[in-house]
Amino acid sequence: GENVEQHPSTLSVQEGDSAVIKCTYSDSASNYFPWYKQELGKGPQLIIDIRSNVGEKKDQRIAVTLNKTAKHFSLHITETQPEDSAVYFCAASIGYGGSQGNLIFGKGTKLSVKP
Amino acid sequence: DSGVTQTPKHLITATGQRVTLRCSPRSGDLSVYWYQQSLDQGLQFLIQYYNGEERAKGNILERFSAQQFPDLHSELNLSSLELGDSALYFCASSGDLRHGYTFGSGTRLTVV
Repeated sequence: GENVEQHPSTLSVQEGDSAVIKCTYSDSASNYFPWYKQELGKGPQLIIDIRSNVGEKKDQRIAVTLNKTAKHFSLHITETQPEDSAVYFCAASIGYGGSQGNLIFGKGTKLSVKP
Repeated sequence: DSGVTQTPKHLITATGQRVTLRCSPRSGDLSVYWYQQSLDQGLQFLIQYYNGEERAKGNILERFSAQQFPDLHSELNLSSLELGDSALYFCASSGDLRHGYTFGSGTRLTVV
């Protein structure tokens, strides 16, 4: 089955710097790659996603890139702010939900943004 | 509010007991997924139901079972509980392709 690896496990940056989190997946059939942010005591919240027919997607300070050949995808956060501090999870699935697929998660990255 | 409702938020029980966790999916979503989150294992996929039928199984123990009812809510039953079952249990739902997967706020289970 699918296996998703995520690095680094912890990341500390200064406010205003960029943060990059990387994930690799094993199943070439996976075609949906969401990123979730989880704050303490809350459920994972979708922040951005990308489908396999797209190489890059951007939403304000957040961007995701996908390299299907290498089977890896990355989350980029620019101009980090203290409120970006949280645990970030990447995931992969075959299908976009509904009756299809289920999300397989990486182990998470704890991002700390220092003021 | 994500639209996915999980109850109870917290549950403390003794080893050997049985508990039931409940999930109401986002309105219109037919799929429900259960995940277990522990400190050292991240988010582990347990099981998926689609419109009342089991669709996929992950790392779910035989002591655990789930079902989805005609009104689409789902229940996760955990029996013969062990200390190692202490974790956060999340439910997610999905419907049309535009919204992907939406998570609830979880149930924190503590087995003592």
